Amino acid sequence: DSGVTQTPKHLITATGQRVTLRCSPRSGDLSVYWYQQSLDQGLQFLIHYYNGEERAKGNILERFSAQQFPDLHSELNLSSLELGDSALYFCASSGGQGMDIQYFGAGTRLSVL
Amino acid sequence: SQELEQSPQSLIVQEGKNLTINCTSSKTLYGLYWYKQKYGEGLIFLMMLQKGGEEKSHEKITAKLDEKKQQSSLHITASQPSHAGIYLCGAWPMDSNYQLIWGAGTKLIIKP
Repeated sequence: DSGVTQTPKHLITATGQRVTLRCSPRSGDLSVYWYQQSLDQGLQFLIHYYNGEERAKGNILERFSAQQFPDLHSELNLSSLELGDSALYFCASSGGQGMDIQYFGAGTRLSVL
Repeated sequence: SQELEQSPQSLIVQEGKNLTINCTSSKTLYGLYWYKQKYGEGLIFLMMLQKGGEEKSHEKITAKLDEKKQQSSLHITASQPSHAGIYLCGAWPMDSNYQLIWGAGTKLIIKP
C-alpha cells in the first residue's frame, strides 16, 4: 500500500458527461501529480500541484482541470468527455517539488461509452 | 511522443535467467526513476538514480545511470515469477521545467 488513495476505482460514464476523480496524498506529502495512462499513449504527465499551487502542466486538455485543496487532497475534473478519454488515471504524491520519489495510487479506470 | 526510449518492448525469459532492460534519452537528465507495474495496477517504485555513473541494487535488481546521464539499464539476476510485470522508466530532462517524461514500458514475462 503506497499510502495514496484514489477514488473511485472504476467509473463508467457517457460521452459529453463530466466526472471528478479524487486523490488523497500520503500523509505529509505536499506534491500531487496526475497522470493518464492509455494503451496507445502510455503514461502521460498531466499536471503537478505543490502545496495548493500549480507547478507544472503537461499534456492536459483544456476540458480537464485540477486543483489541490488546503488539506492537500486533489481533484481532477474531466468534462465534455469523449471516447478517447477512456484510460487509467493515476495520482502520485511526493514530499517536495523536485525529484523526489513519487508514490502512486492504484488509479481510477475511466470508461467513456 | 516518447522522449524516453525503452528496449526491448517485451521480453520472455526462462525463470532463473538474467535480463537487462534499457532506457535512453536524447537529452541529459536531472535523474531517472525505475518503476514496476502489474497490469492495470499502480506503479511501484524500484529505484531513483541522480548522479552520473550511479548504480543501485535492491535484492536481485540493479540499476545504473551512465556518466552522461542519458542512458540507464535495469538488470535482473536469476529472474523469478515475481519479477513479471511492466517496467517503466521516468525521467526529468534538464530542460523539462519539471515535466516528468516516461518510457513506453517493457513487458516482462517469466517462463517457469
